[in-house]
Amino acid sequence: DAGVTQSPTHLIKTRGQQVTLRCSPISGHKSVSWYQQVLGQGPQFIFQYYEKEERGRGNFPDRFSARQFPNYSSELNVNALLLGDSALYLCASSRTPGGDNLNEQFFGPGTRLTVL
Amino acid sequence: TQLLEQSPQFLSIQEGENLTVYCNSSSVFSSLQWYRQEPGEGPVLLVTVVTGGEVKKLKRLTFQFGDARKDSSLHITAAQPGDTGLYLCAGGHPSGTYKYIFGTGTRLKVLA
Repeated sequence: DAGVTQSPTHLIKTRGQQVTLRCSPISGHKSVSWYQQVLGQGPQFIFQYYEKEERGRGNFPDRFSARQFPNYSSELNVNALLLGDSALYLCASSRTPGGDNLNEQFFGPGTRLTVL
Repeated sequence: TQLLEQSPQFLSIQEGENLTVYCNSSSVFSSLQWYRQEPGEGPVLLVTVVTGGEVKKLKRLTFQFGDARKDSSLHITAAQPGDTGLYLCAGGHPSGTYKYIFGTGTRLKVLA
């Protein structure tokens, strides 16, 4: 079975530009979460979507937005890019949104975003 | 704000040595997961612990969840170079919210 896939693998943008990152969850998983991982740190939660609805949001500015499609894939959009947005953006899928032992989350390989 | 602090931040040991990584918080979690991440890749789930006091073994790795479900440890016996990587703990928030809190990470290097 295919795991979580993300595209693109790498991306270079300049300050002020906008970017869209894509994620396809594991088949049968209806929840997608997005994380930002700055070099040398643990991932920080950005969003969680379940059944196309936002179920959770981390401490990120409104420049960050996301959506989930009927096939459960998801997009993360970041507007007005700043140098500090440079990071590895991870997508994780799970069957349901709850944080319990029945709901393990599986990560994709990430999209490495560099803002110049 | 919930925080998960891991210690040590960095660890460099010789092949065959034992080590323990700690994950501590002042908050209670419904579950706690341990991941290993290699450069340029996403975290890979190693184990999930749910019950306070629970101990799980995965070959040379032993995971323990604290009785109060606020802390956890990962013990590696006879470390091998293949164990090298970034070890992350992540706490599942009690029901009602929908996010995982990640620890600060422990970067392990095992020298041959």
